[in-house]
Amino acid sequence: EADIYQTPRYLVIGTGKKITLECSQTMGHDKMYWYQQDPGMELHLIHYSYGVNSTEKGDLSSESTVSRIRTEHFPLTLESARPSHTSQYLCASSETGGYTDTQYFGPGTRLTVL
Amino acid sequence: AQKITQTQPGMFVQEKEAVTLDCTYDTSDPSYGLFWYKQPSSGEMIFLIYQGSYDQQNATEGRYSLNFQKARKSANLVISASQLGDSAMYFCAMREPGTGRRALTFGSGTRLQVQP
Repeated sequence: EADIYQTPRYLVIGTGKKITLECSQTMGHDKMYWYQQDPGMELHLIHYSYGVNSTEKGDLSSESTVSRIRTEHFPLTLESARPSHTSQYLCASSETGGYTDTQYFGPGTRLTVL
Repeated sequence: AQKITQTQPGMFVQEKEAVTLDCTYDTSDPSYGLFWYKQPSSGEMIFLIYQGSYDQQNATEGRYSLNFQKARKSANLVISASQLGDSAMYFCAMREPGTGRRALTFGSGTRLQVQP
């Protein structure tokens, strides 16, 4: 059982605001991921990280940015939120070199931009 | 490119009965991993079960088992003795091969409703 945390769980914000979604894990996992999910739909990868100071964009184009300054912390930032950013954002982590490389997910942040 | 297909948008099952959720996949790589996740209405993704392409036996975890048919490229989830708490969305996913990012490709999900 992995311990991975996301805050806030729910966020309602106005257009143009800057927001940061927090994600932290206590497992010491090297790899971390951000997925975006519209209600009732599949998840799509928007960012990932191999480790500290390593970040890459995922398959789904996103205006968000991420940073990885510490192993346990992988925040996602939107400089200027828009209604099109309304979605659920799920953070995940996995260990490197394990047989299954199972990804464990945080509880998600449901973002609504008005 | 990998693809996961879940053809059942919604399923109903009576409490205490077994239910099978379908998942087919497509990949050209001989080494792959398949996962099932449960997503309750609260939104978190809960890992249920894993099957590796080279695993000789079907995976089992408590009431969950995976009916893995490699030649048919299917990895169906079987939930035995359904409980009301099993009502949720269920996603099948495949992990990318190789030593790179190892991201997951997800299916569109199946919404399971367990009826008393």
